[in-house]
Amino acid sequence: ETGVTQTPRHLVMGMTNKKSLKCEQHLGHNAMYWYKQSAKKPLELMFVYSLEERVENNSVPSRFSPECPNSSHLFLHLHTLQPEDSALYLCASSQAGMGYNEQFFGPGTRLTVL
Amino acid sequence: GENVEQHPSTLSVQEGDSAVIKCTYSDSASNYFPWYKQELGKGPQLIIDIRSNVGEKKDQRIAVTLNKTAKHFSLHITETQPEDSAVYFCAAKKRPNNQGGKLIFGQGTELSVKP
Repeated sequence: ETGVTQTPRHLVMGMTNKKSLKCEQHLGHNAMYWYKQSAKKPLELMFVYSLEERVENNSVPSRFSPECPNSSHLFLHLHTLQPEDSALYLCASSQAGMGYNEQFFGPGTRLTVL
Repeated sequence: GENVEQHPSTLSVQEGDSAVIKCTYSDSASNYFPWYKQELGKGPQLIIDIRSNVGEKKDQRIAVTLNKTAKHFSLHITETQPEDSAVYFCAAKKRPNNQGGKLIFGQGTELSVKP
């Protein structure tokens, strides 16, 4: 098991609901990532936080709102999602710096939007 | 932008045989190439990586080769075992910076090893 945990592991929500995904890393890293994994598609990078500052936002719709209160925690707030947003959402962390820093992934949250 | 193509999308081999997965990348500035294994219900886990100043790297039954001129890299698994069955992803990254770097992933290969 990696040092990155995600909750909940499964989530079913309606299009009008508001929910949040949580990620916590216990590795002492200072960069955290949200990825979307849909069937038969490559992992899509959504957001990157480095030193608690958002450094990447890959044209993600505003119905996804990330939050990084500290270097160990990352949230993804969800509201008025669409059925096509159903996917596995993966969180990852790494040590930002000049090295080739491995990204450690959590187990993901399986999201279903009805 | 960077694009990574991965083939094949599915691969079935007999236990004990070798498996090869190939990836090509578009950005010649890419210089770090990790391979991830994702088992059912789990997140991807790094199994091996290679830097652009190295042509080949081996770790027990797993090896990766890199051809910078052709911009492609491959994963080789020898003496496959049923527990090697998983989805494998290649990725490419440019020179890292202080902001963590950005991995571009291939589409994934579902490997099935039949006993």
